[in-house]
Amino acid sequence: QKEVEQNSGPLSVPEGAIASLNCTYSDRGSQSFFWYRQYSGKSPELIMSIYSNGDKEDGRFTAQLNKASQYVSLLIRDSQPSDSATYLCAVKRAGGSYIPTFGRGTSLIVHP
Amino acid sequence: GAVVSQHPSRVICKSGTSVKIECRSLDFQATTMFWYRQFPKQSLMLMATSNEGSKATYEQGVEKDKFLINHASLTLSTLTVTSAHPEDSSFYICSASLVNTEAFFGQGTRLTVV
Repeated sequence: QKEVEQNSGPLSVPEGAIASLNCTYSDRGSQSFFWYRQYSGKSPELIMSIYSNGDKEDGRFTAQLNKASQYVSLLIRDSQPSDSATYLCAVKRAGGSYIPTFGRGTSLIVHP
Repeated sequence: GAVVSQHPSRVICKSGTSVKIECRSLDFQATTMFWYRQFPKQSLMLMATSNEGSKATYEQGVEKDKFLINHASLTLSTLTVTSAHPEDSSFYICSASLVNTEAFFGQGTRLTVV
């Protein structure tokens, strides 16, 4: 059973703090990892992709991947109220069936 | 990122009628398109995967005769909800991708069956 696990939250952080979102996956064949943000009533939008172990930074966002431990995380620095949303983790295998598997998402609330 | 356009964004229909939702990849030719359904405060549920020119692959529990998917070209896939009932009311989202790349989502379609 290929699964992607996320804590549903809500994760509540004060404005300006670092929000840390975590995701674990069960399929060791996973090669591509993605973080999506979904505002209430809207469709998901891609914010980060990561393919190799280590950190990848893009503005206030840092994705971290550890394939040995099968987890991927997303750090949001200087959190803003506009970051309040549900964050979805997705993983894909390389080749073959390339259907992304999504986690249930973590609800993030950034309070002023 | 790539642009995926989904239309309509919102539709209200009467019970028993059919509704067609279009999904277009505007600036790339999508190898695969995916159709999801999402109920309020629930996670994305994959309904089916479609590849251009071939029959869609439906997930377990999804009625293929009720949710008709046509992937006529590399840039267009359609989902038709046939004989819609109130329990079909949901948020339907398509996404498109190339092999081994990220999936890009359409804006979603809010379907309400009255």
